[in-house]
Amino acid sequence: KAGVTQTPRYLIKTRGQQVTLSCSPISGHRSVSWYQQTPGQGLQFLFEYFSETQRNKGNFPGRFSGRQFSNSRSEMNVSTLELGDSALYLCASSLRAGGGTEAFFGQGTRLTVV
Amino acid sequence: AQRVTQPEKLLSVFKGAPVELKCNYSYSGSPELFWYVQYSRQRLQLLLRHISRESIKGFTADLNKGETSFHLKKPFAQEEDSAMYYCALFGYGGSQGNLIFGKGTKLSVKP
Repeated sequence: KAGVTQTPRYLIKTRGQQVTLSCSPISGHRSVSWYQQTPGQGLQFLFEYFSETQRNKGNFPGRFSGRQFSNSRSEMNVSTLELGDSALYLCASSLRAGGGTEAFFGQGTRLTVV
Repeated sequence: AQRVTQPEKLLSVFKGAPVELKCNYSYSGSPELFWYVQYSRQRLQLLLRHISRESIKGFTADLNKGETSFHLKKPFAQEEDSAMYYCALFGYGGSQGNLIFGKGTKLSVKP
């Protein structure tokens, strides 16, 4: 079966702009989580969506938001981009929400803010 | 606070040598612990989880609640084991849980 697909793979944006990243989960998976990966902080949890509802949110400013559609595809949006938002953004899908279920990761979207 | 610590950024061993990647955690409840691996130019993937108590690709990990550790071990390292390894904890910080990752250890297995 197809894996988790993230688009686009690379993005270059200017400070102050906004950006939308997309994630298509594995078919049948209803939980989608987003992570930010940077060399300094490692992998940090952004938020999780399950059945179109935000189930959990990490410690990120309100500029970071997301949503999930009825087909489980998810988007995350970052407004008023800052240089520090440059990172690899990873999406992971799971069959169910909560612990004990394997998370399947996409290849990520590399965002560069200039 | 919930935290996962991987003290080594880089671990270099020779082929055939034993390898141990260290992971310590801080969590007040009963933890669910995982090891994820990322091979070069591949996506992050699950290697093993403590509840399965299984050996994957020769790797094992035992949860030691007394020492709050979940070290990953393999008796004889292979060159194809070279990768980035992340220890992760599924923790309930608020009402819902999420995966908390360590910063990772890069394993380099030399011929």
